[in-house]
Amino acid sequence: EDKVVQSPLSLVVHEGDTVTLNCSYEVTNFRSLLWYKQEKKAPTFLFMLTSSGIEKKSGRLSSILDKKELFSILNITATQTGDSAVYLCAVEARDQGGSEKLVFGKGTKLTVNP
Amino acid sequence: DAGVIQSPRHEVTEMGQEVTLRCKPISGHNSLFWYRQTMMRGLELLIYFNNNVPIDDSGMPEDRFSAKMPNASFSTLKIQPSEPRDSAVYFCASSLGVVNTGELFFGEGSRLTVL
Repeated sequence: EDKVVQSPLSLVVHEGDTVTLNCSYEVTNFRSLLWYKQEKKAPTFLFMLTSSGIEKKSGRLSSILDKKELFSILNITATQTGDSAVYLCAVEARDQGGSEKLVFGKGTKLTVNP
Repeated sequence: DAGVIQSPRHEVTEMGQEVTLRCKPISGHNSLFWYRQTMMRGLELLIYFNNNVPIDDSGMPEDRFSAKMPNASFSTLKIQPSEPRDSAVYFCASSLGVVNTGELFFGEGSRLTVL
C-alpha cells in the first residue's frame, strides 16, 4: 500500500527560527513529490520535485528530494507568523492498473509564535 | 479566474439523510478529484475523473458514496444514507491534465457534520 509519512506532526517555534519538515514515502512507480501549504481552507501548491538533489526555492522556502532514500525535506528560514499552517506532502504514483494517484501525508502543523 | 467552486460550504444533517456536495472545476481543467480530510486520516482521495470519466474510485469508502461528472463544468458527490463517521471536510480539486501536471487547485471545501 502506498504510504507517505510526515514528521513531526506538529511544531511550535518562534519568529526568526529555521524549521525543517520531513516527508518519507513508499509508493509504487514514483513520479513526483509535491508540497502544499494549508492555512484555514484549501491547500495551496508550493513545490513539485521530480529529480534527486535539485533544490527548489521560493523566497524563504526551499525543498529537496532524495529518491534513493525516499524522502524530502521542506526548509523554512527566518520564520514569520504568516508561515503558521499545515504543510502537506503528497506523492504522485502510478499503480499497476496505470492509474495515477496523489497520496497525501497527514501533514505537519507549524505554529510560529511572535 | 474564479477557482474551484464548491457548495455548500457547511452542511449539518442528521444521520440517514442524503447529502449532495457540488463542485465546479476551473474552466479548461480536464481532471477533477474528490478528497476527504479528517484529523485522523488526513487527506484521502475518494475518486477522480479525467475528461468526465471516472478513472479510479477505489478510495470511495462504501456503496453509500457515489460521484458523478455529467459535464466538464460540474461534479457531485452524494452520500446516501449519511452516517456520523462521514463528518469531514470534503475537498474538490482540479488540474489541467492527469496528476502529472504537478499542481492541483483545491476548492475551499465543504464541511459536513452528520449528527
